[in-house]
Amino acid sequence: KAGVTQTPRYLIKTRGQQVTLSCSPISGHRSVSWYQQTPGQGLQFLFEYFSETQRNKGNFPGRFSGRQFSNSRSEMNVSTLELGDSALYLCASSQGTENTGELFFGEGSRLTVL
Amino acid sequence: TQLLEQSPQFLSIQEGENLTVYCNSSSVFSSLQWYRQEPGEGPVLLVTVVTGGEVKKLKRLTFQFGDARKDSSLHITAAQPGDTGLYLCAGEEGRRALTFGSGTRLQVQP
Repeated sequence: KAGVTQTPRYLIKTRGQQVTLSCSPISGHRSVSWYQQTPGQGLQFLFEYFSETQRNKGNFPGRFSGRQFSNSRSEMNVSTLELGDSALYLCASSQGTENTGELFFGEGSRLTVL
Repeated sequence: TQLLEQSPQFLSIQEGENLTVYCNSSSVFSSLQWYRQEPGEGPVLLVTVVTGGEVKKLKRLTFQFGDARKDSSLHITAAQPGDTGLYLCAGEEGRRALTFGSGTRLQVQP
């Protein structure tokens, strides 16, 4: 069973630009969650999508957005990048039934903002 | 906001030593998960504890959920270099997103 795939693995952007990250969940998983990981703040929840609908949202500004497609693949977008957006962005999929359940993480997309 | 505090933040020990990592919160969780993350990879689930007072063993790792379901501990016996990594606890409450602790970075020296 293929794992969670995130692309790109690494990217460098400059302040003010925007970025789109992609996540393909494990086949059959309908929930996709996004987390931002930084050395200072740890893993911070961005949002969760289930069946193309945002089910949960963290405390991030509106510059961070996401969506999920009918095949459960998900994208997240960050507009008007700031230096503080440099982080490892992790995507996790789960079956998405009653509770969160076990999360299966991808290897992450490491974003550097210059 | 639910907060999970982990201690210690960093731990460097010699191969063969024992260690305990703590995860504490003022909130009650329906379950608590422990993950391990190695460099360049995403976190991988080690165990889920659900019942207050529950103890689960995974080879040399022993996980305990507090009676009040507010805290948990991870004990490693005879640590090995392969145990090196970032250990994360995560609390679950219903349909809310998992709340992750700040992590404990473990280095086991051969």
